[in-house]
Amino acid sequence: DAKTTQPTSMDCAEGRAANLPCNHSTISGNEYVYWYRQIHSQGPQYIIHGLKNNETNEMASLIITEDRKSSTLILPHATLRDTAVYYCIVRLHSNFGNEKLTFGTGTRLTIIP
Amino acid sequence: DGGITQSPKYLFRKEGQNVTLSCEQNLNHDAMYWYRQDPGQGLRLIYYSQIVNDFQKGDIAEGYSVSREKKESFPLTVTSAQKNPTAFYLCASSTPGAVNTEAFFGQGTRLTVV
Repeated sequence: DAKTTQPTSMDCAEGRAANLPCNHSTISGNEYVYWYRQIHSQGPQYIIHGLKNNETNEMASLIITEDRKSSTLILPHATLRDTAVYYCIVRLHSNFGNEKLTFGTGTRLTIIP
Repeated sequence: DGGITQSPKYLFRKEGQNVTLSCEQNLNHDAMYWYRQDPGQGLRLIYYSQIVNDFQKGDIAEGYSVSREKKESFPLTVTSAQKNPTAFYLCASSTPGAVNTEAFFGQGTRLTVV
């Protein structure tokens, strides 16, 4: 599985856009980029995923570079409730029994009032 | 409501005792996973199972064991061989091969060994 690299921590002012980068330079053609977040002492929550096109949903936008070696999660108007650890993972979707989810250390995002 | 349930939420055990953490899902997912999380750390994969009666070791399987006798259930046993078992344990499930579905996580079990 491709590995991901994320900054350890970031701060963002409340109401501003939070841009969280992720490097996945060894990603293969059939691996998807997924983002999850974890609020303290809870299970991770799914945010968004994509293959090569940019994606948007009610929570966030995902921008994937053309070479797919990096991506950025954008929270357009950050609120205090967005303070969490954000995980970027690459996930192989496979019917052949070799799919596993590997998480890194994530980015601790703190929203500043 | 469909979901994934871990129990108990908090668990205390004496050193040297085996303990089993429960994980049940009613999402009809084939794949299930166990992760360990230490304070300030990310998630590390212990074991995963793609199908009933089959499972594979993750990155930190030593001192742990699992079984997958039913699709809905993937219990994790923390054995006395695990050197530092105190941690937050998370279970997840997913549908392998299904692109537009995400993995779902339970709310975790916090194990403290004294």
